Amino acid sequence: DTEVTQTPKHLVMGMTNKKSLKCEQHMGHRAMYWYKQKAKKPPELMFVYSYEKLSINESVPSRFSPECPNSSLLNLHLHALQPEDSALYLCASSQVTDRPYGYTFGSGTRLTVV
Amino acid sequence: QQPVQSPQAVILREGEDAVINCSSSKALYSVHWYRQKHGEAPVFLMILLKGGEQKGHEKISASFNEKKQQSSLYLTASQLSYSGTYFCGTDQYNFNKFYFGSGTKLNVKP
Repeated sequence: DTEVTQTPKHLVMGMTNKKSLKCEQHMGHRAMYWYKQKAKKPPELMFVYSYEKLSINESVPSRFSPECPNSSLLNLHLHALQPEDSALYLCASSQVTDRPYGYTFGSGTRLTVV
Repeated sequence: QQPVQSPQAVILREGEDAVINCSSSKALYSVHWYRQKHGEAPVFLMILLKGGEQKGHEKISASFNEKKQQSSLYLTASQLSYSGTYFCGTDQYNFNKFYFGSGTKLNVKP
Protein backbone atom coordinates (compact mmCIF):
# COMPACT_ATOMS: atom_id res chain seq x y z
CA ASP A 1 0.00 0.00 0.00
CA THR A 2 1.79 3.12 -1.21
CA GLU A 3 -0.98 5.64 -0.82
CA VAL A 4 -1.89 8.52 1.38
CA THR A 5 -5.66 8.77 1.68
CA GLN A 6 -7.39 12.05 2.49
CA THR A 7 -11.02 12.62 3.35
CA PRO A 8 -13.18 14.36 2.48
CA LYS A 9 -12.17 15.30 -1.06
CA HIS A 10 -14.31 18.43 -1.00
CA LEU A 11 -15.58 20.45 1.94
CA VAL A 12 -17.69 23.60 2.12
CA MET A 13 -17.98 25.16 5.53
CA GLY A 14 -19.28 28.34 7.08
CA MET A 15 -17.11 30.65 9.11
CA THR A 16 -18.69 29.48 12.36
CA ASN A 17 -18.44 25.76 11.64
CA LYS A 18 -16.07 23.19 13.10
CA LYS A 19 -14.82 20.50 10.76
CA SER A 20 -11.91 18.08 10.49
CA LEU A 21 -9.76 16.86 7.65
CA LYS A 22 -8.41 13.33 7.86
CA CYS A 23 -5.29 11.70 6.44
CA GLU A 24 -4.22 8.07 6.62
CA GLN A 25 -1.14 6.20 5.42
CA HIS A 26 -0.05 2.59 5.83
CA MET A 27 3.48 2.81 4.47
CA GLY A 28 5.11 2.81 7.89
CA HIS A 29 6.20 6.42 7.45
CA ARG A 30 6.87 8.18 10.73
CA ALA A 31 6.77 11.76 9.44
CA MET A 32 3.51 13.35 8.33
CA TYR A 33 2.81 16.82 7.02
CA TRP A 34 0.06 19.29 6.27
CA TYR A 35 0.47 21.64 3.35
CA LYS A 36 -1.84 24.38 2.09
CA GLN A 37 -1.98 25.17 -1.63
CA LYS A 38 -3.72 28.16 -3.17
CA ALA A 39 -4.53 28.20 -6.86
CA LYS A 40 -1.47 28.50 -9.13
CA LYS A 41 0.84 28.63 -6.11
CA PRO A 42 3.24 26.08 -4.62
CA PRO A 43 2.21 24.11 -1.55
CA GLU A 44 3.09 25.87 1.71
CA LEU A 45 4.22 23.92 4.73
CA MET A 46 1.89 24.18 7.73
CA PHE A 47 2.74 21.44 10.23
CA VAL A 48 5.16 18.54 10.59
CA TYR A 49 4.73 15.54 12.86
CA SER A 50 7.69 13.28 13.51
CA TYR A 51 7.05 10.10 15.51
CA GLU A 52 3.59 11.43 16.36
CA LYS A 53 5.00 14.58 17.93
CA LEU A 54 4.52 18.04 16.48
CA SER A 55 7.98 19.12 15.39
CA ILE A 56 7.25 22.10 13.16
CA ASN A 57 4.47 24.67 13.21
CA GLU A 58 5.00 27.29 10.56
CA SER A 59 3.25 30.08 12.50
CA VAL A 60 -0.14 28.83 11.43
CA PRO A 61 -3.18 30.61 12.99
CA SER A 62 -4.77 28.80 15.92
CA ARG A 63 -7.98 28.25 13.97
CA PHE A 64 -6.04 25.33 12.44
CA SER A 65 -5.32 22.62 15.00
CA PRO A 66 -3.39 19.50 13.98
CA GLU A 67 -3.58 16.15 15.70
CA CYS A 68 -1.69 12.90 15.21
CA PRO A 69 -3.56 10.13 17.07
CA ASN A 70 -1.17 7.40 15.92
CA SER A 71 1.55 6.71 13.39
CA SER A 72 -0.94 6.17 10.55
CA LEU A 73 -3.39 9.01 11.10
CA LEU A 74 -3.19 12.77 10.87
CA ASN A 75 -6.08 15.16 11.42
CA LEU A 76 -6.49 18.86 10.86
CA HIS A 77 -9.23 20.44 12.95
CA LEU A 78 -10.76 23.61 11.56
CA HIS A 79 -12.67 26.23 13.52
CA ALA A 80 -13.81 29.76 12.73
CA LEU A 81 -12.06 29.86 9.38
CA GLN A 82 -11.97 32.85 7.07
CA PRO A 83 -12.79 32.90 3.35
CA GLU A 84 -9.08 33.38 2.60
CA ASP A 85 -8.46 29.95 4.12
CA SER A 86 -10.14 28.41 1.10
CA ALA A 87 -7.49 26.24 -0.57
CA LEU A 88 -6.38 22.70 -1.34
CA TYR A 89 -5.07 21.05 1.82
CA LEU A 90 -2.53 18.36 1.16
CA CYS A 91 -1.32 15.69 3.52
CA ALA A 92 2.04 14.01 2.92
CA SER A 93 4.20 11.41 4.59
CA SER A 94 7.82 10.32 4.41
CA GLN A 95 10.30 8.06 6.09
CA VAL A 96 12.39 9.39 8.93
CA THR A 97 16.00 8.35 8.45
CA ASP A 98 19.39 9.98 8.43
CA ARG A 99 18.92 10.70 4.74
CA PRO A 100 16.05 12.67 3.22
CA TYR A 101 13.41 10.76 1.29
CA GLY A 102 10.75 11.87 -1.14
CA TYR A 103 7.31 12.70 0.10
CA THR A 104 4.14 10.83 -0.79
CA PHE A 105 1.17 13.17 -1.09
CA GLY A 106 -2.51 12.51 -0.72
CA SER A 107 -4.92 13.80 -3.33
CA GLY A 108 -5.97 16.63 -1.05
CA THR A 109 -9.12 18.18 0.39
CA ARG A 110 -10.46 21.14 -1.51
CA LEU A 111 -11.84 23.46 1.15
CA THR A 112 -14.21 26.34 0.51
CA VAL A 113 -15.07 28.69 3.36
CA VAL A 114 -18.26 30.68 2.83
CA GLN B 1 13.69 30.34 2.16
CA GLN B 2 11.64 29.47 -0.91
CA PRO B 3 13.81 28.40 -3.87
CA VAL B 4 13.43 30.27 -7.14
CA GLN B 5 12.50 28.43 -10.34
CA SER B 6 12.89 29.43 -13.95
CA PRO B 7 11.32 29.63 -16.40
CA GLN B 8 7.80 30.17 -15.06
CA ALA B 9 6.24 28.47 -18.07
CA VAL B 10 7.36 26.40 -21.05
CA ILE B 11 5.47 25.31 -24.15
CA LEU B 12 6.93 22.38 -26.08
CA ARG B 13 6.07 20.16 -28.99
CA GLU B 14 6.23 16.42 -28.42
CA GLY B 15 9.79 15.23 -28.77
CA GLU B 16 11.42 18.53 -27.78
CA ASP B 17 13.68 18.95 -24.77
CA ALA B 18 13.39 21.32 -21.82
CA VAL B 19 15.44 22.40 -18.82
CA ILE B 20 13.96 23.75 -15.59
CA ASN B 21 16.22 25.48 -13.10
CA CYS B 22 15.97 25.84 -9.35
CA SER B 23 18.20 27.97 -7.15
CA SER B 24 18.43 28.82 -3.50
CA SER B 25 20.19 31.48 -1.49
CA LYS B 26 20.61 29.02 1.40
CA ALA B 27 22.95 26.05 1.75
CA LEU B 28 21.06 22.96 0.76
CA TYR B 29 21.28 19.35 1.80
CA SER B 30 18.93 17.98 -0.81
CA VAL B 31 16.75 18.98 -3.71
CA HIS B 32 13.51 17.22 -4.62
CA TRP B 33 11.58 17.39 -7.86
CA TYR B 34 7.82 16.90 -8.11
CA ARG B 35 5.27 17.07 -10.89
CA GLN B 36 1.69 18.15 -10.26
CA LYS B 37 -1.02 17.73 -12.84
CA HIS B 38 -4.08 19.96 -12.70
CA GLY B 39 -6.39 18.97 -9.88
CA GLU B 40 -4.04 16.28 -8.60
CA ALA B 41 -1.48 15.90 -5.85
CA PRO B 42 2.25 16.47 -6.43
CA VAL B 43 4.05 13.28 -7.44
CA PHE B 44 7.63 12.66 -6.37
CA LEU B 45 10.07 12.35 -9.27
CA MET B 46 13.50 12.23 -7.68
CA ILE B 47 15.74 13.51 -4.95
CA LEU B 48 19.33 14.69 -5.21
CA LEU B 49 21.59 14.86 -2.22
CA LYS B 50 24.53 17.08 -1.47
CA GLY B 51 27.42 15.61 -3.39
CA GLY B 52 26.55 16.81 -6.88
CA GLU B 53 24.99 13.59 -8.04
CA GLN B 54 22.87 13.33 -11.11
CA LYS B 55 19.87 11.08 -11.20
CA GLY B 56 17.57 9.86 -13.89
CA HIS B 57 14.01 8.69 -14.18
CA GLU B 58 13.19 7.42 -17.68
CA LYS B 59 13.81 10.44 -19.91
CA ILE B 60 13.80 12.85 -16.99
CA SER B 61 17.05 13.52 -15.19
CA ALA B 62 18.40 16.13 -12.83
CA SER B 63 21.62 17.52 -11.46
CA PHE B 64 22.56 19.35 -8.27
CA ASN B 65 25.43 21.82 -8.03
CA GLU B 66 25.93 22.28 -4.30
CA LYS B 67 28.51 25.04 -4.74
CA LYS B 68 26.00 27.18 -6.56
CA GLN B 69 23.00 25.83 -4.62
CA GLN B 70 21.35 25.12 -7.95
CA SER B 71 19.55 22.18 -9.48
CA SER B 72 18.35 21.58 -13.01
CA LEU B 73 15.70 19.18 -14.29
CA TYR B 74 16.19 17.86 -17.82
CA LEU B 75 13.25 16.57 -19.81
CA THR B 76 14.32 14.76 -22.96
CA ALA B 77 12.11 13.93 -25.93
CA SER B 78 9.06 15.22 -24.08
CA GLN B 79 5.79 13.34 -24.16
CA LEU B 80 2.24 14.61 -23.74
CA SER B 81 2.20 12.98 -20.30
CA TYR B 82 4.97 15.29 -19.15
CA SER B 83 2.57 18.24 -19.05
CA GLY B 84 2.00 19.68 -15.61
CA THR B 85 3.60 21.99 -13.11
CA TYR B 86 7.06 21.05 -11.93
CA PHE B 87 8.17 22.06 -8.48
CA CYS B 88 11.59 21.81 -6.98
CA GLY B 89 11.76 21.58 -3.24
CA THR B 90 14.62 22.09 -0.89
CA ASP B 91 15.56 21.27 2.65
CA GLN B 92 18.17 23.29 4.42
CA TYR B 93 19.77 20.61 6.57
CA ASN B 94 16.45 19.89 8.19
CA PHE B 95 14.73 17.41 5.99
CA ASN B 96 11.50 17.69 7.85
CA LYS B 97 11.37 21.35 6.86
CA PHE B 98 10.85 21.42 3.18
CA TYR B 99 9.93 24.31 0.88
CA PHE B 100 8.61 24.20 -2.63
CA GLY B 101 9.82 26.49 -5.38
CA SER B 102 7.47 28.76 -7.30
CA GLY B 103 6.79 26.14 -9.98
CA THR B 104 7.25 25.82 -13.74
CA LYS B 105 4.22 25.09 -15.86
CA LEU B 106 5.09 22.77 -18.73
CA ASN B 107 2.67 22.31 -21.62
CA VAL B 108 3.56 19.65 -24.19
CA LYS B 109 1.56 19.88 -27.38
CA PRO B 110 1.15 17.26 -30.14
